[in-house]
Parts: sequence; structure tokens; C-alpha cells
Amino acid sequence: GAGVSQSPRYKVAKRGQDVALRCDPISGHVSLFWYQQALGQGPEFLTYFQNEAQLDKSGLPSDRFFAERPEGSVSTLKIQRTQQEDSAVYLCASSLTGQGRNQPQHFGDGTRLSIL
Amino acid sequence: AQTVTQSQPEMSVQEAETVTLSCTYDTSESDYYLFWYKQPPSRQMILVIRQEAYKQQNATENRFSVNFQKAAKSFSLKISDSQLGDAAMYFCAYRSAWISSGSARQLTFGSGTQLTVLP
Repeated sequence: GAGVSQSPRYKVAKRGQDVALRCDPISGHVSLFWYQQALGQGPEFLTYFQNEAQLDKSGLPSDRFFAERPEGSVSTLKIQRTQQEDSAVYLCASSLTGQGRNQPQHFGDGTRLSIL
Repeated sequence: AQTVTQSQPEMSVQEAETVTLSCTYDTSESDYYLFWYKQPPSRQMILVIRQEAYKQQNATENRFSVNFQKAAKSFSLKISDSQLGDAAMYFCAYRSAWISSGSARQLTFGSGTQLTVLP
């Protein structure tokens, strides 16, 4: 497709379950970002990939959060042993390169995760 | 660390009127980018307008314009001739222009302003 695609759009899980969220960036985009958006708040940075390399994971809130992008295209954000505070919208964004001074980030529609 | 503050949680405007959304930020950097994003209920972040800090001229995109005051660290968004389709959550965001090895180009967002357009 032409834009960033995220799946599933909605995910409901019981506390303690593991979840996996998928992001398909725009074809050819080198940079990929994950953000977490709590209800009524602005998105907060989680992690960044340049191709398959995870260059920054400083925003991941705990070691229960893990992200990968093994072939430099599709990325998966995994949350283990989910807790209620993990309930949020998870947004993925991609941009064309990691070197350009002003490459806009293109966002997907996000996955709304609800932990019961 | 950079911070972005949006002090207006909610704003409303009459259709066809003009509204201004406020944003202030804090940074020690001299070169950076500022953005306004729109987020409708569909959740997708849509870029509205962007400003490069080294440019003194305020950015304009059709009905959207900014008032960039670098010394005051202020970056407000003006929407002219408001339309029903402008109703959304608006986020101000900051991004550094200087990327050191291994660091990311992540955006730092404010908490948002919910804009309602009244018919």
C-alpha cells in the first residue's frame, strides 16, 4: 500500500498475556519509529530503527517491551506479560532516510491495545 | 532534554472564523524543526505544517500558518477560514536537526489541543 500499515487495529488481551503488534512501513523507507500514546496525551517515543539496526531503544518503558525489524522492512513490537498500564495506542512511523536533514515521518493508524 | 507544552487542552471556533493554537518549547539547541500534526478520530497523525528553526520566515500551507518566535520559543498555529473537517486533536512537535551517531530522529510531542469547529 501507499502508507504505513499497522495491524491489528484493535487488540484486547488479558493481563499477563503476551502481544505482538505489526508495522509495515512505506516501501523503501529506511527509518522506522514506534511511539506509545496514552489516552488524551501526545505520543511518546519508544524505539527507532535504521534498516534492521535498532539504534535507539531508550524509550522502551521496561524489559517487557521488545522490538525487532529483522529484514529492515516490517517491524514487530512485542510486549510480554502485559499489564494494565500498557493500555494505549501504539503508533508506527517511517521516513525515507536516516541522513536527510528534513525527512517527514509518515504515521500509521495505530493499534489500540486494551489490557483487561 | 527538550519539552513541548500546549497549554490549551480544548479550543473551539466558529466555522469560517480564525483560531490560534499555542505551543511553547524548551531546548538548548539552535537548529531544530517544529511541526504541527493533526490527529482525527481515525488516529492517523497527519502533518499540517513544519518550520525549520534557521528560517526566519513563518511557514504557510494554504489556510494554515505559523507564528514562530525563536527567542521566545513559541510556535503557534493559525487556522483561517475554519472548516468542519479541521476538527481534530492538534499536536505540536519538536525534532532536533543534529543527529549524532546512534541517536534517533524522534519527535517530542506536546499533550495536544482538541479543536472543535462549530457550524
